[in-house]
Amino acid sequence: EADIYQTPRYLVIGTGKKITLECSQTMGHDKMYWYQQDPGMELHLIHYSYGVNSTEKGDLSSESTVSRIRTEHFPLTLESARPSHTSQYLCASSQQTGFNTGELFFGEGSRLTVL
Amino acid sequence: AQSVTQLGSHVSVSEGALVLLRCNYSSSVPPYLFWYVQYPNQGLQLLLKYTTGATLVKGINGFEAEFKKSETSFHLTKPSAHMSDAAEYFCAVTKRADSGGYQKVTFGIGTKLQVIP
Repeated sequence: EADIYQTPRYLVIGTGKKITLECSQTMGHDKMYWYQQDPGMELHLIHYSYGVNSTEKGDLSSESTVSRIRTEHFPLTLESARPSHTSQYLCASSQQTGFNTGELFFGEGSRLTVL
Repeated sequence: AQSVTQLGSHVSVSEGALVLLRCNYSSSVPPYLFWYVQYPNQGLQLLLKYTTGATLVKGINGFEAEFKKSETSFHLTKPSAHMSDAAEYFCAVTKRADSGGYQKVTFGIGTKLQVIP
């Protein structure tokens, strides 16, 4: 059973507000990821991290930022939310081993609605 | 480059009928292939995966998939659908990376399975 947690699960906010989506995992995984999920579209990677103090942008350009100060924690921040940011955000992690199969463990998601 | 094509964004089957969800991939190197399931208002959960070895892989909840290199396919099947199988299913592809290296995971757009009583 995966132990990766996201909060809040649902968030409705107004335009211009700053928001932080929290993600924590208790599996000791070095690699963590943020995906954006919209109906009828493939999941798009927006950020990833190989470990503490490591962050990289993913395939899909995003105005959000991330940080990785602790292994278990990978929060995503939007400084000024806009309606175009309305989406589901999925956090995931994976093991870093000598034979990494790329299997991902997902949190339950944070559904963001910006009015 | 790698890509995934899932044929049919919506599939409906009767309870007790065969489930067949199609996935074709492209990859320039031997692929690792996955099926994930997403229940409403939840994240994705691994159903099964193929890395190397036996091409018929079995997963949770009675699902299985067969890697067919000649057809570049990894279709998901279950002999008898259950109401609890109603969910969205995602096929994904990646490849082996060097230890610590970045492995891009490419997902399909998903197939929503409806099970009719």
